Amino acid sequence: DGGITQSPKYLFRKEGQNVTLSCEQNLNHDAMYWYRQDPGQGLRLIYYSQIVNDFQKGDIAEGYSVSREKKESFPLTVTSAQKNPTAFYLCASSIRTPRAQFFGPGTRLTVL
Amino acid sequence: AQSVTQLDSQVPVFEEAPVELRCNYSSSVSVYLFWYVQYPNQGLQLLLKYLSGSTLVKGINGFEAEFNKSQTSFHLRKPSVHISDTAEYFCAVSGSQGAQKLVFGQGTRLTINP
Repeated sequence: DGGITQSPKYLFRKEGQNVTLSCEQNLNHDAMYWYRQDPGQGLRLIYYSQIVNDFQKGDIAEGYSVSREKKESFPLTVTSAQKNPTAFYLCASSIRTPRAQFFGPGTRLTVL
Repeated sequence: AQSVTQLDSQVPVFEEAPVELRCNYSSSVSVYLFWYVQYPNQGLQLLLKYLSGSTLVKGINGFEAEFNKSQTSFHLRKPSVHISDTAEYFCAVSGSQGAQKLVFGQGTRLTINP
């Protein structure tokens, strides 16, 4: 089945640690995105990539980093510089921009 | 740049009643419009989209939306809701040309009461 997978579903991190969230798609989509969702709020764009080996900052990129070495994969690293990382993180992809985006199931990150 | 306003943060309705979730947008260019649904602790699922053509768009689960360019609105409707429609609904907009980002509204929580 085609789709987007994110792992892990739940992730716990101690303050001061970096952590990497995985996002993989087998839809053959060119574009991929990372969003952050906080309770009662909409989605805020962290980073997006329109093509392999290229990515752009979104609205809240500080404290995050990404890579796009393969078309299928777009991992997000939450660094210790992110002051309030506890949130629900959603990965999405689209055939190109702008088009409908398809979302993964999300990763809930909690900083202890 | 585009922006989206979902006019109601919460909408309670009784089962089998009709519902309308309101969405207004602003943009200086032509737009694409989307509605997504999110069930608790899950990702977003695309309900429907407007790219061009007919202004009345039909989606999954019996939902439909109408694009009104003069009123810059894209309201979501369903003639008869079910308990299973209880979820968060997000309206989103992007410009239709170039590498446009998708801008989301704050969401509307739809609660269906028996």
